[in-house]
This record gives sequence, C-alpha cells and structure tokens, in this order.
Amino acid sequence: AQSVAQPEDQVNVAEGNPLTVKCTYSVSGNPYLFWYVQYPNRGLQFLLKYITGDNLVKGSYGFEAEFNKSQTSFHLKKPSALVSDSALYFCAVRSSGGSYIPTFGRGTSLIVHP
Amino acid sequence: GAVVSQHPSRVICKSGTSVKIECRSLDFQATTMFWYRQFPKKSLMLMATSNEGSKATYEQGVEKDKFLINHASLTLSTLTVTSAHPEDSSFYICSAPLGTEAFFGQGTRLTVV
Repeated sequence: AQSVAQPEDQVNVAEGNPLTVKCTYSVSGNPYLFWYVQYPNRGLQFLLKYITGDNLVKGSYGFEAEFNKSQTSFHLKKPSALVSDSALYFCAVRSSGGSYIPTFGRGTSLIVHP
Repeated sequence: GAVVSQHPSRVICKSGTSVKIECRSLDFQATTMFWYRQFPKKSLMLMATSNEGSKATYEQGVEKDKFLINHASLTLSTLTVTSAHPEDSSFYICSAPLGTEAFFGQGTRLTVV
C-alpha cells in the first residue's frame, strides 16, 4: 500500500519569506513523487516531480523539492514567497513498479500575506 | 505539457436529472483515465478508473449505477451522474496518465438544486 502525509492543513508565510510545505510518504519499492497546485475551482496543475537522479528537483514558478530517502520526505520549498502562490498544494506518490494510480495527500493550504 | 480538457466547468441541474461530464485528452491518447471527486478543502477521492474498450473499475463505496462511466475512444471519457441529488453536488476532476505523470482536467463544479 502507498500513502502520503501532509501534516499541515495550512501554512502561513509573509511575502518575500521562504516557504516550506511538508510531505512524507510510504511506498513499496522506489517512489515517484509529485507536487501539484490547485487554485479555486480549478483542476490540479503539475509543479514538479522526482523520478530518479538528483535529490533536489526544480519545478515551475520557482518551486523546488528535495527528495530525502532516509526520511521518506519530499518537502516543497520556495526561497521567496509571492501572494500569488496562495493556493492548495497536493503531494502525491506512486510506486515505480506497482500501481500507476497516484495516491494524494490531503492537501495543504498555503496563505502568503502581503 | 499534455492537455486534458474537461467540460463543462460548471453546471447546475435539478434533482432527478442526469448530468454528463466529458474529459478529453487533446494531444495524446489515453487508454486509461481517472475520475475524482473533491469535497470542500479536502483531498481528491478516486471514484473510478475508466478503461478504453472495457468496463470501468470503481472504487469501493462508489455506486456504479449512479456514476456511469464510458470510455468511448482513446481520447474521450465521460462521467454521467444519474438521477442527481443535492448530496452529489461536488467538484469532479478527471485525469489521464502519460508516462510517469498524470494530467488533470480543469474540473467541473456540479450543483444539484
């Protein structure tokens, strides 16, 4: 079985400050990890993924995430938050060798204050 | 990246009527598509996996007769909510896998009055 934990329902950060949205996972075998962003009444937009290679993955809109195998984590980060980054963020995992259906975390609402 | 188009984006219907939601992969073929339901401020709940040329696979607790899924071609899957009731009001999202990624439609906000 595979699972994703996003321990924070909401993250608040001031504009210009660095942000981190946490994600830990559990999966059999090697993980494929993803971050998506959702704006109100919209579908999910792909931000970045880790499949293999460098543990630090850079994605869209200045976001990056670090794959940490020992801590089974894939935290999303951005050096300087923008008000427009305020949205709902989902972490997802699937096994490289198992089901191709990703499992999503419950989502973290990011609020960036001006 | 690949594009998945979902239509309509918003629909209001009366109780007892049926509503059809379409999901199209615009620039790639998708033998499989996923249908999710999302409650307010909640994660996505996988409802079913749509398979081109065969029956859909429903998740436990999802009523097959209520949520009819048809994967008519390699680029089109439809979800029909039959005899809709207010409790069916929700945000429905489709997704199609391509390679290691999944691409999502824009979502459909269904309101049953």
